Amino acid sequence: RKEVEQDPGPFNVPEGATVAFNCTYSNSASQSFFWYRQDCRKEPKLLMSVYSSGNEDGRFTAQLNRASQYISLLIRDSKLSDSATYLCVVNSLSDMRFGAGTRLTVKP
Amino acid sequence: EAGVTQFPSHSVIEKGQTVTLRCDPISGHDNLYWYRRVMGKEIKFLLHFVKESKQDESGMPNNRFLAERTGGTYSTLKVQPAELEDSGVYFCASSHDRHEQYFGPGTRLTVT
Repeated sequence: RKEVEQDPGPFNVPEGATVAFNCTYSNSASQSFFWYRQDCRKEPKLLMSVYSSGNEDGRFTAQLNRASQYISLLIRDSKLSDSATYLCVVNSLSDMRFGAGTRLTVKP
Repeated sequence: EAGVTQFPSHSVIEKGQTVTLRCDPISGHDNLYWYRRVMGKEIKFLLHFVKESKQDESGMPNNRFLAERTGGTYSTLKVQPAELEDSGVYFCASSHDRHEQYFGPGTRLTVT
């Protein structure tokens, strides 16, 4: 079983749609959680950290459920520029574990 | 503020040759990480420096890989001798507080 699992997609949605990504992790000792986005042939860029209380940044909302070892990312009012691969990242002690990513394509 | 930089952006070498990758972290970031993404796989952790000390090198695949961070500033990752399976994109990241990491653009290594 992979340490961090994501639905690889692809998710193809129209502009303005709401889309949700899920991620599960296996290490219950994990301490920090993040969503990164990665554009084709580019480096991962931090989108947002994920806190137990849930957090929101504009159109993006992240949730963490430690009991279920589950993380989610909700994107509202999708824009064409949201098209990318979204990486779920879990930090345990000194290293980060990456999911394989979920590919999102937003279409006009 | 300058971001994480990596050099070279691309490297094509033959099997058995040596390649050295360089990473310059964000100024003031004590934590420096190396990752690798081979084709079709997820990004995998290689090792973590805190200043000049190796905090965790559990992800280094074998003894053909040597990472250094003399002086606690930039870091190098040497592959010697390179094998075909070493091909991939090598990312470096840095962080201030071991939480949010900022990635460099990566070095795309091709071993032929």
